[in-house]
Amino acid sequence: KQEVTQIPAALSVPEGENLVLNCSFTDSAIYNLQWFRQDPGKGLTSLLLIQSSQREQTSGRLNASLDKSSGRSTLYIAASQPGDSATYLCAPSTSGTYKYIFGTGTRLKVLA
Amino acid sequence: GAVVSQHPSRVICKSGTSVKIECRSLDFQATTMFWYRQFPKKSLMLMATSNEGSKATYEQGVEKDKFLINHASLTLSTLTVTSAHPEDSSFYICSASLGTNTGELFFGEGSRLTVL
Repeated sequence: KQEVTQIPAALSVPEGENLVLNCSFTDSAIYNLQWFRQDPGKGLTSLLLIQSSQREQTSGRLNASLDKSSGRSTLYIAASQPGDSATYLCAPSTSGTYKYIFGTGTRLKVLA
Repeated sequence: GAVVSQHPSRVICKSGTSVKIECRSLDFQATTMFWYRQFPKKSLMLMATSNEGSKATYEQGVEKDKFLINHASLTLSTLTVTSAHPEDSSFYICSASLGTNTGELFFGEGSRLTVL
């Protein structure tokens, strides 16, 4: 059974810092991995999708990398802003399906 | 990007009643949708996979008679919480895939159910 862990569970930083959020998963036989953002009481917004043949994806100030063999993914946020405050979730999908299993999340707070 | 809409966003009901939550893909057809449940300050737990025109596939430990899922069309899946009890109070979120090789998931805004 796939288990997904995210470290740290919570993070509070001053504006402008570069951040690294970590995600590890126990079953390396995954297909895709997606990073999401969730604001309090809201649904999920897809940030980055790393497809099965890819090792990283970039969008603006966000960069996500994936190392399937070691069961790890990292989300890098450059020059953090107060608007980045949210919970970040990583989710690998089971090989051959769209079934995603979610990590425990990292609650990020960026202070102005 | 693809848009997934959920309705209602909030619902309060009395214990013993049934509540239906709708999930619609607004600008694409979704042969497969997924229903998740989220407890306060916890991550999302996959409840079931909803397949258009066939029975849903439930995850282990999820009561199929309690959580009825119907995927009658390519743009609509419904989750009905039957005979709701306070412990069913939760945030329910649906998602859908474009069905392309990317496997990217798009999520609704979620529905908060409170059972009194």
